[in-house]
Amino acid sequence: DTEVTQTPKHLVMGMTNKKSLKCEQHMGHRAMYWYKQKAKKPPELMFVYSYEKLSINESVPSRFSPECPNSSLLNLHLHALQPEDSALYLCASSQNRGIAKNIQYFGAGTRLSVL
Amino acid sequence: DAKTTQPTSMDCAEGRAANLPCNHSTISGNEYVYWYRQIHSQGPQYIIHGLKNNETNEMASLIITEDRKSSTLILPHATLRDTAVYYCIALPTGNQFYFGTGTSLTVIP
Repeated sequence: DTEVTQTPKHLVMGMTNKKSLKCEQHMGHRAMYWYKQKAKKPPELMFVYSYEKLSINESVPSRFSPECPNSSLLNLHLHALQPEDSALYLCASSQNRGIAKNIQYFGAGTRLSVL
Repeated sequence: DAKTTQPTSMDCAEGRAANLPCNHSTISGNEYVYWYRQIHSQGPQYIIHGLKNNETNEMASLIITEDRKSSTLILPHATLRDTAVYYCIALPTGNQFYFGTGTSLTVIP
C-alpha cells in the first residue's frame, strides 16, 4: 500500500471559519510533509514532521497550525485564513533516512477556497 | 543543493520516446538526481533517481552524463497519460528538496 489519503478533497471556508485538513498513511513512514500549491506554480514546502516532531517550518503564518498526533496521521488546522490562501494543499510522506528520505509519496491534495 | 535548469515546455508525439533534459552543472559528488512528475490536479509522483550510473525502472530511464553535469529522463513510449510537469531535483541524501519550475511535457496524439 503506497497510498497517502487526504480529506476532504475540496473545502470552501469563510475567513472566520476554523477547519482542518487531514492526511493519513500506513506505509510506516516517519517523515510527513505539508506543501501548498498555487495554480501553475510548483509545490511549496510548508512543514516537515520527523518522528512526529516538527522539524521544518518554512516561515508559515500562524493561521496554519500543523499537528502530528501519531506516526500515521498529519493534520493542518486552519483559522482566520485569507482569500490568498486559496490553493491546493498537498500532504506527503517518506522514510526518514538515507536515499529513501527523498522519495516522497504524495496524496491527491485538498483544494481549498477561502471566501 | 545543486541548481537545476530545465526547459519550460516540450512536446512529444504519442508512441515516441520523450527525452527530458536537466542541467545540473554545479552538482557535487554526493548529490543524487531525482525526477518527479505532476499530472494535472494530482499530487507529484516519484519517478526515478540516480547518482552516476544510468538507471531504469518500469516508468522511465535516467541517463546521467559521465561528468554528472546533466541528465536526461527518457519515457520510452510516451502516452497521453504522460502529459505532466516533470521536475528534476539534485541534492545530497537526506536533505529536504524543493521543487523548481519543471518542464511541462505535452504528448500529442
